Amino acid sequence: EVQLLESGGGLVQPGGSLRLCCAASGFTFSIYAMSWVRQAPGKGLEWVSVISSGGDTTHYADSVKGRFSISRDNSKNMLCLHMNSLRADDTAIYYCAREESTPFDYWGQGTLVTVSS
Amino acid sequence: DIQMTQSPSATSASVGDRVTITCRASQGISNYLAWFQQKPGKVPKRLIHAASSLESGVPSRFSGSGSGTEFTLTISSLQPEDFATYYCLQHNSYPLTFGGGTKVEIK
Repeated sequence: EVQLLESGGGLVQPGGSLRLCCAASGFTFSIYAMSWVRQAPGKGLEWVSVISSGGDTTHYADSVKGRFSISRDNSKNMLCLHMNSLRADDTAIYYCAREESTPFDYWGQGTLVTVSS
Repeated sequence: DIQMTQSPSATSASVGDRVTITCRASQGISNYLAWFQQKPGKVPKRLIHAASSLESGVPSRFSGSGSGTEFTLTISSLQPEDFATYYCLQHNSYPLTFGGGTKVEIK
């Protein structure tokens, strides 16, 4: 059974940093691209970032470019999102999601990030 | 960046009604479009990929059509469990972009 389990969310002050991670199981993690998608409270879905299966290619939404960094460790079946210079509008539930030929066939349950003083 | 304009943003319908949701892309995306359903407090679920291919286990009352810049999700006969918010997603190019969502409410 495919499982994606996010961790690392919490309350952080504006300008602070946070690292989210997603532990994958139940599939061959190393052959799938992986993304982060977020959803602000009461709002729609926003794609954040993607990393290729081998980790050599990444893309970011303009809203997070230069502040967030996506990474993966295929030996540990782990995906991470390093978030710096956090702002109030980064407050959201952050989901990791798998990409097969089409995004996103499996999603984690999400982890809540709250940016507030 | 490709913008996805989804309409309507909300609709009220009764059980048994036919519901149609539209997504328009700001430029051609071939059939690189997926549809997702999200119920309150739940994780999004993919319903359709490649614009018209139904995911395994998704009821046949859901259908998708379109190519290029205009796409449609149709629910042929709305059921109580279909009341939710629906999103389209283009994956023709990065950044991936979702439509703004359509909330399907009970009339």
